[in-house]
Amino acid sequence: DAMVIQNPRYQVTQFGKPVTLSCSQTLNHNVMYWYQQKSSQAPKLLFHYYDKDFNNEADTPDNFQSRRPNTSFCFLDIRSPGLGDAAMYLCATSTRSGRAYEQYFGPGTRLTVT
Amino acid sequence: GNSVTQMEGPVTLSEEAFLTINCTYTATGYPSLFWYVQYPGEGLQLLLKATKADDKGSNKGFEATYRKETTSFHLEKGSVQVSDSAVYFCALMDNFNKFYFGSGTKLNVKP
Repeated sequence: DAMVIQNPRYQVTQFGKPVTLSCSQTLNHNVMYWYQQKSSQAPKLLFHYYDKDFNNEADTPDNFQSRRPNTSFCFLDIRSPGLGDAAMYLCATSTRSGRAYEQYFGPGTRLTVT
Repeated sequence: GNSVTQMEGPVTLSEEAFLTINCTYTATGYPSLFWYVQYPGEGLQLLLKATKADDKGSNKGFEATYRKETTSFHLEKGSVQVSDSAVYFCALMDNFNKFYFGSGTKLNVKP
């Protein structure tokens, strides 16, 4: 089945230690998104790629970076995680064909910072 | 700017009760509207969508109608089940394909 895959599902890192979260998709969608979701809150968009074009949200901290080496993969790098970065990180994809470009979400990676 | 407002939860119902979760939006242009559901420990799943005024989205017994005159997209289900317990997010997509999510409404269904 075509899907959005996130690895790992659970990640523990130490304060200040760089961490990378990964997302892959078999949907061949040209848009990929990264969201941060804290407990009992709505997902907050960090950035997205339209093909290779990178779009950063104005309030996304510089501590967060992203890479998209090809259509299928997208990575979220947190250069120096703080305790406030503990959250669920959701990857999503969409296609720009059709009228309503719903987003397809992966299961998320829950990040714990110790 | 664009925004989505949902009723606060949690909403607690008995099995087979009628469900309504209110959602209103503010947007310029002609947004598309969505309901997503999130089960514990999982990502968001699309539940239903509507792309223009008066469209009704429906899936798994849930339905919502895009009401432009009241800028609303309320989610309804005639008879909820325990398995419907989850967090429900209302969302809009603007003309630039950017999503705006509501804060989510937690639904607890008791047997």
